[in-house]
Formats: sequence, structure tokens, C-alpha cells
Amino acid sequence: SSELTQDPAVSVALGQTVRITCQGDSLRSYYASWYQQKPGQAPVLVIYGKNNRPSGIPDRFSGSSSGNTASLTITGAQAEDEADYYCNSRDSSGNHPWVFGGGTKLTVL
Amino acid sequence: QVQLVQSGAEVKKPGASVKVSCKASGYTFTGYYMHWVRQAPGQGLEWMGWINPNSGGTNYAQKFQGWVTMTRDTSISTAYMELSRLRSDDTAVYYCARGAAIRWGGRDFDYWGQGTLVTVSS
Repeated sequence: SSELTQDPAVSVALGQTVRITCQGDSLRSYYASWYQQKPGQAPVLVIYGKNNRPSGIPDRFSGSSSGNTASLTITGAQAEDEADYYCNSRDSSGNHPWVFGGGTKLTVL
Repeated sequence: QVQLVQSGAEVKKPGASVKVSCKASGYTFTGYYMHWVRQAPGQGLEWMGWINPNSGGTNYAQKFQGWVTMTRDTSISTAYMELSRLRSDDTAVYYCARGAAIRWGGRDFDYWGQGTLVTVSS
């Protein structure tokens, strides 16, 4: 099965822009979705499809994709954006299971 | 509003089984897939599989085939995940998450339960 690779940790200065990436072969066939998870809480969907935000997700969150890499961009990061971020997608093999990336810990300085 | 409410924490001995429930409300239960995802302490998310609540059909991650069983009771809009032959490394928070609409697709994992901590310890 495919794997999705994320950088373990990323930091950003308050108000600046940060990009979190996710790499994997399945991303050539399927869009990634992105989830925000704060300590002790369930994950929250922030981006899905080409670049769609569920209602209630601030427009500073955006998604993009190129080749085998998907990106989550936070434009003007806020203190409340400090969290773990996970990508996932369908797997292009077999019965198309789902796969998650290992997660990126975002620190807002 | 869509809500997924899971059963409470469990403590099990190695070799035992655990069954976690996920009660859905605020939408048509049989109209959307239901995923199960787990997260070991301090670790990432791991997809376990999904169930089609309408047909009862399932799709398990290869790792869990043979020891996970996902079922549902449509009369009470509840999905279940049973994991057998528990080991200490099955200690994790188990989440249910709503999947795409069965008939027309759409987004997956858009609503999550609050999680159920399963602790496996002798």
C-alpha cells in the first residue's frame, strides 16, 4: 500500500505564511484532505478535494496539489492554528483503502 | 446538526475483545459510509476500515483483516467496531468518522466522534 510522508514539525511566526506538505504516489490519482488536531480533541477536517473548506473553517486555510505532493497553506497564521496537521487520501492500490500521513506538528512562534 | 457519540472508555486484558459503538444523529445514517480510525498514544492517525450502513458491506485495511469486525444497527443509527485478540499495542483512542454519501460521493471524514480510549493491560 501507499504511504504519505509529512515533515514531523514546522514552525511559523505569528501572522506569517506557512506551507505544510504531504508526499505520496497516491496523490497523483487522488486529492488529499487535511485535518487539524489539537491536544485531547478529535481531528477536524479543514481542506478537502481540490481546495474546499467546510463551513466554519477560516479562509486563511487553503490547499493545492502538484504531482505527488499536496500542500496545506495557512496565510497569516494565528496562535490558535498551533496543532497537529494530518493529510490523507485514497490509496491507488487494491480496493482503494485510505491512508494517513504521519502528521506535522505546527508551532506558531 | 450532525453528531457522532461514541461509547465510553474500556479497559481490557490481552487476548480479549472490545466493541466500540458510534451513535449517529442529525443526518440519514444509511446514506453515508462510516469510517473507523485509531490513534495510539502520541502517534498518528491510522485508518481501520469503513462500513456501508445501508448494505452492511465493509472494507477493512489489510492490517486489520481477520481481527476487526464492523457492523451496524440501522434501527438505532449506530455503528460498531469490534477488535479481537487485543494486544498491548492496541491501546489507542478509536474514532468513528462519517464518510462520503453512498449515492453521490462527496467529502469523507467530515464529522468525527469524540473518541473512545481502549486500554489493553494485564
